[in-house]
Amino acid sequence: GDSVTQTEGLVTLTEGLPVMLNCTYQTIYSNPFLFWYVQHLNESPRLLLKSFTDNKRTEHQGFHATLHKSSSSFHLQKSSAQLSDSALYYCALRGSTGGNNKLTFGQGTVLSVIP
Amino acid sequence: GPKVLQIPSHQIIDMGQMVTLNCDPVSNHLYFYWYKQILGQQMEFLVNFYNGKVMEKSKLFKDQFSVERPDGSYFTLKIQPTALEDSAVYFCASSLDGGQDTQYFGPGTRLLVL
Repeated sequence: GDSVTQTEGLVTLTEGLPVMLNCTYQTIYSNPFLFWYVQHLNESPRLLLKSFTDNKRTEHQGFHATLHKSSSSFHLQKSSAQLSDSALYYCALRGSTGGNNKLTFGQGTVLSVIP
Repeated sequence: GPKVLQIPSHQIIDMGQMVTLNCDPVSNHLYFYWYKQILGQQMEFLVNFYNGKVMEKSKLFKDQFSVERPDGSYFTLKIQPTALEDSAVYFCASSLDGGQDTQYFGPGTRLLVL
């Protein structure tokens, strides 16, 4: 079945430094959808980015990610971390393009930005 | 943005009892989902629901689980009877359609089965 791997459980960064959160996936489907969700403390997971186009950069709220099917990756990046970016980040995959809409999540990466 | 509400936020229950988790999805959404997250693990898909029917369920969706949305009210997940391994955070989500559309998540219900 589908799987998503986020290698870092916790990333601690000083404010102003670049952010990169890793996400790789496995699926048998050739046209997967990849998502990044962010969850701040005591809030709901909220969609940050999504993409299904190979090698096209997607941006939102200062974050960006590019789906690379050749390496099955969808890493999340930001040029300069802010204190308000501290949150739990989930990478998720929707493998099929049919009626199956389920998301497969990675384990999540906690991003902690310190002054 | 659109909000999904979940009631209650926390629930403690004795093993063997029944529990109903309630989800108030985004008002015009048509597809509904439940996900389960055991402490320290990733969120896992349980079930999706459309037009009054379960569309797909995972192996985590045991026979003791059921879902319904009577007359456009809450979308509910019922567990009867509960087991210790049902202790988890249960997230509800909804989407307008089932294709590329975004799933909007609620804040979760933290269920503890004693």
